[in-house]
Amino acid sequence: NAGVTQTPKFQVLKTGQSMTLQCAQDMNHEYMSWYRQDPGMGLRLIHYSVGAGITDQGEVPNGYNVSRSTTEDFPLRLLSAAPSQTSVYFCASSQRPLGTNEKLFFGSGTQLSVL
Amino acid sequence: GQQLNQSPQSMFIQEGEDVSMNCTSSSIFNTWLWYKQDPGEGPVLLIALYKAGELTSNGRLTAQFGITRKDSFLNISASIPSDVGIYFCAGPYYGGSQGNLIFGKGTKLSVKP
Repeated sequence: NAGVTQTPKFQVLKTGQSMTLQCAQDMNHEYMSWYRQDPGMGLRLIHYSVGAGITDQGEVPNGYNVSRSTTEDFPLRLLSAAPSQTSVYFCASSQRPLGTNEKLFFGSGTQLSVL
Repeated sequence: GQQLNQSPQSMFIQEGEDVSMNCTSSSIFNTWLWYKQDPGEGPVLLIALYKAGELTSNGRLTAQFGITRKDSFLNISASIPSDVGIYFCAGPYYGGSQGNLIFGKGTKLSVKP
């Protein structure tokens, strides 16, 4: 039961470096999303996708890019990392966009530090 | 905009004690969800509530959907050490990000054996 798989688990970057956080799900879910979790801030939505080829911005999209070329994968790109992007990042998926009766499944997170 | 306010922010309790936490909103929600995040893991859904006044249990956990539809409560009875974690309430975004969830800031629970 793989579910939602995130890699890497930990990452340290220098300011200005770029990287991609990987997310894959094997449940054939249409909906996928990225959240960041900061102390005392809860989970804030960065970007989301309601299907292959369709993405949209969430609450805190600046500094991040996403694409959805396949149903399974939803990578999150940091083009030029900044210390403010130090956070724990969670990828999540559900069968359909969230409404009544939909459940959101989370990956185990990527802890990112930007120096 | 939409906001969910959770209280308390943190709790330190003795094993065996009961726990109560709540979540309030300035706007009406049609769904209330409660998630638990174990240390080093992603959140996992505990209980989903879909109707005002609904009371739903999951083992030692009981959650209620407030009558006003602007609040929800989560109770844990006879706490045990594995109850440690962060508990989040969540509900659907309305407006620009439909199909997504908004989360409260969480209640961090510590249980002393």
